[in-house]
Amino acid sequence: QQQVKQSPQSLIVQKGGISIINCAYENTAFDYFPWYQQFPGKGPALLIAIRPDVSEKKEGRFTISFNKSAKQFSLHIMDSQPGDSATYFCAASMGRYDKIIFGKGTRLHILP
Amino acid sequence: DTGVSQNPRHKITKRGQNVTFRCDPISEHNRLYWYRQTLGQGPEFLTYFQNEAQLEKSRLLSDRFSAERPKGSFSTLEIQRTEQGDSAMYLCASSFSGGSGEQFFGPGTRLTVL
Repeated sequence: QQQVKQSPQSLIVQKGGISIINCAYENTAFDYFPWYQQFPGKGPALLIAIRPDVSEKKEGRFTISFNKSAKQFSLHIMDSQPGDSATYFCAASMGRYDKIIFGKGTRLHILP
Repeated sequence: DTGVSQNPRHKITKRGQNVTFRCDPISEHNRLYWYRQTLGQGPEFLTYFQNEAQLEKSRLLSDRFSAERPKGSFSTLEIQRTEQGDSAMYLCASSFSGGSGEQFFGPGTRLTVL
């Protein structure tokens, strides 16, 4: 049973455009929602994270929007750059120190 | 702070052989996690330690898998009698329970079982 569903599987965006990745979850016990970025040959790295008591969090060009009632959250990458080309994972956990449940990932490609 | 390191980076073995991977966490990180990632999928949780105590194991961790963290520092993950289905990237992460809780991942060990 997949606890965190992510879409799309792959995404192509023009340089300077907005990249949007969506996720949905079922378990209402989740209270920590991180996004990870992974480059080929590397482990995932935390990009930005949010708690369900906040509807939006912005860090630089990266914004998480969170809809608790719909049990959905999304990552927006503004002014997308070729260096943003990577695989992005949404995730959830029951607390910052608990195991992380990952989505299947979105392979993002930014066209130069 | 050199980050989380994992050795070896790549391992090719024949079915039925035993393999052991090592993870060195960021110093002073008391939590250590193991995940498995197959091609095109997100990492899946296997087990985690707080200091030397193994606190949780996933149902994915069959009897052929064993993990240890004997002195609360580095950890080893052993797979006995490897099967082709064990082929994956094995990721280690560490965190400090007194801090933000962010898990820092190592580069992984890629296992290929022939």
